Amino acid sequence: DSGVTQTPKHLITATGQRVTLRCSPRSGDLSVYWYQQSLDQGLQFLIQYYNGEERAKGNILERFSAQQFPDLHSELNLSSLELGDSALYFCASSVVGLAGSNNEQFFGPGTRLTVL
Amino acid sequence: AQTVTQSQPEMSVQEAETVTLSCTYDTSESDYYLFWYKQPPSRQMILVIRQEAYKQQNATENRFSVNFQKAAKSFSLKISDSQLGDAAMYFCAYRRKAAGNKLTFGGGTRVLVKP
Repeated sequence: DSGVTQTPKHLITATGQRVTLRCSPRSGDLSVYWYQQSLDQGLQFLIQYYNGEERAKGNILERFSAQQFPDLHSELNLSSLELGDSALYFCASSVVGLAGSNNEQFFGPGTRLTVL
Repeated sequence: AQTVTQSQPEMSVQEAETVTLSCTYDTSESDYYLFWYKQPPSRQMILVIRQEAYKQQNATENRFSVNFQKAAKSFSLKISDSQLGDAAMYFCAYRRKAAGNKLTFGGGTRVLVKP
């Protein structure tokens, strides 16, 4: 158990819908990362938040957005869902997550999203 | 942009034997980190081993060791005395030191362990 929790574990929805994935980082970790694992794209970085602020952005679609709240939990919002959005979405957290810092990222168990 | 390539989609090893997984990467940076992650059927991502680019000594964690060839941009993982529990997907990952902490992953290698 990494200490990172993600809810829900599984999500099945229809095209065009909107969903919210939730992540609670390890106690004391200020940085949260979101990754997408799909058959087509493999594992890719979406976005990083550090202490409530967006820190880095990867291949995140405009239909997707995220935020980190004052209690440091994060939510990933996916809207206008398409079949290709079906994937495993991971959240990871680290203590600091700033450039140059040698902080391991601890991964949550992931949320499996299926878009029908 | 940095890229990570794992050329072996699948590797099979007999229990108690040794298997080596290949990974190459492309970067113009001189200081960075390299990782191997294990993803068992449970889908959990588990850090196996980490290497810092400025350290010449290859990292070792119990039965797992790496061969880091910086000039060749190669980072292979050796699993010794393979166990049934080693069966999983293994991902090589790269992280720049100078600009944030995003991980760039390779496509993965599936390891099958035969009893």
